[in-house]
Amino acid sequence: SQKIEQNSEALNIQEGKTATLTCNYTNYSPAYLQWYRQDPGRGPVFLLLIRENEKEKRKERLKVTFDTTLKQSLFHITASQPADSATYLCALDPGGGGNKLTFGTGTQLKVEL
Amino acid sequence: DAGVIQSPRHEVTEMGQEVTLRCKPISGHNSLFWYRQTMMRGLELLIYFNNNVPIDDSGMPEDRFSAKMPNASFSTLKIQPSEPRDSAVYFCASTRLGGRETQYFGPGTRLLVL
Repeated sequence: SQKIEQNSEALNIQEGKTATLTCNYTNYSPAYLQWYRQDPGRGPVFLLLIRENEKEKRKERLKVTFDTTLKQSLFHITASQPADSATYLCALDPGGGGNKLTFGTGTQLKVEL
Repeated sequence: DAGVIQSPRHEVTEMGQEVTLRCKPISGHNSLFWYRQTMMRGLELLIYFNNNVPIDDSGMPEDRFSAKMPNASFSTLKIQPSEPRDSAVYFCASTRLGGRETQYFGPGTRLLVL
């Protein structure tokens, strides 16, 4: 069966460092992969989308990589700030006509001063 | 833009009662999704609609759950009868069909079934 794994344990890092979050999947061939941010008591908010034929995508301090051979995506936040503290979810999109996403369970990131 | 609107924001009910959750998608969006989020299972897709038509309801856990979308600006998710294990946060999301549009989530309804 399809499985998406994100680090279940919270990630604590120091302000200014680079945070790296991992999304691994099995029995799945996504055409696209999305990353969302979720703050407590709120719905997820879209951050970045990467296509299967793209190796890397950047947006300001965010960088996403997508390795379809390893079946893995890495999400990086450079120069992290306390305001980056949140839960980050990866979502897999099989492509095709619909927009159905399958979400990972998320990784909680805490950036400390 | 008002974003996706959900009501109520919080619901506390007793086991066996009927619960109705409501969603108004973003104007112009023609794809609507209902999700359930729990600590144990994360964010799960329950059902989604394209152009008001249910496309995939394979995530609906039981017959106690039903969803409707009578028009492009309104959808309901009903649980009847409710059970304590239905306690979760229920999110509605919308997007435009076609392309790889991102999904826009509402604030969620926090449901507690006693």
